[in-house]
Amino acid sequence: GAVVSQHPSRVICKSGTSVKIECRSLDFQATTMFWYRQFPKKSLMLMATSNEGSKATYEQGVEKDKFLINHASLTLSTLTVTSAHPEDSSFYICSARREVNTGELFFGEGSRLTVL
Amino acid sequence: QKEVEQDPGPLSVPEGAIVSLNCTYSNSAFQYFMWYRQYSRKGPELLMYTYSSGNKEDGRFTAQVDKSSKYISLFIRDSQPSDSATYLCAMSARAAGNKLTFGGGTRVLVKP
Repeated sequence: GAVVSQHPSRVICKSGTSVKIECRSLDFQATTMFWYRQFPKKSLMLMATSNEGSKATYEQGVEKDKFLINHASLTLSTLTVTSAHPEDSSFYICSARREVNTGELFFGEGSRLTVL
Repeated sequence: QKEVEQDPGPLSVPEGAIVSLNCTYSNSAFQYFMWYRQYSRKGPELLMYTYSSGNKEDGRFTAQVDKSSKYISLFIRDSQPSDSATYLCAMSARAAGNKLTFGGGTRVLVKP
């Protein structure tokens, strides 16, 4: 299957600082990437859709100023958690679609953020 | 009522048994159906991808989609302890931008 790489896999930061998470599609170009958040023992919650060369589309209830998304190239999307607080601690997962007109979605390994 | 329903389990089976998982859904527009396996603290791994109704087999895995009943299944034959994980069903509709809707996940435990 297609490979989506995410970095870092784990990050610990102090409250008030910003953290950037990178998502790369390694063997295909992805015009669209998706960012999810997952709480313990819960399913994935879609945060936003990242479109190459344009602004991200955020789901209802997700603060766009808190979670900055940049999709600067066809293989890289970044999520920046700004002014992080302990309630932002979570598992963040990106995904990408290899072919535009299919539903097949490949996920990264996830990034665990802990805000102290 | 959730758009996609999935029994959370846990589902415990002995090694070598068949694991049977299923999801029901309410949105008749769904046309792409996927099963993911997720180990603890890892991202979901795509196991099976099916378009519309029918069966698909890949190694020990068989996926079935019955759109008339709005019901999908995943069967795992000859289960191994390494199959112990959470299994998520997901589905999407092209008309909705292929945005995935997930089930809540079923935790599976295969006992040696």
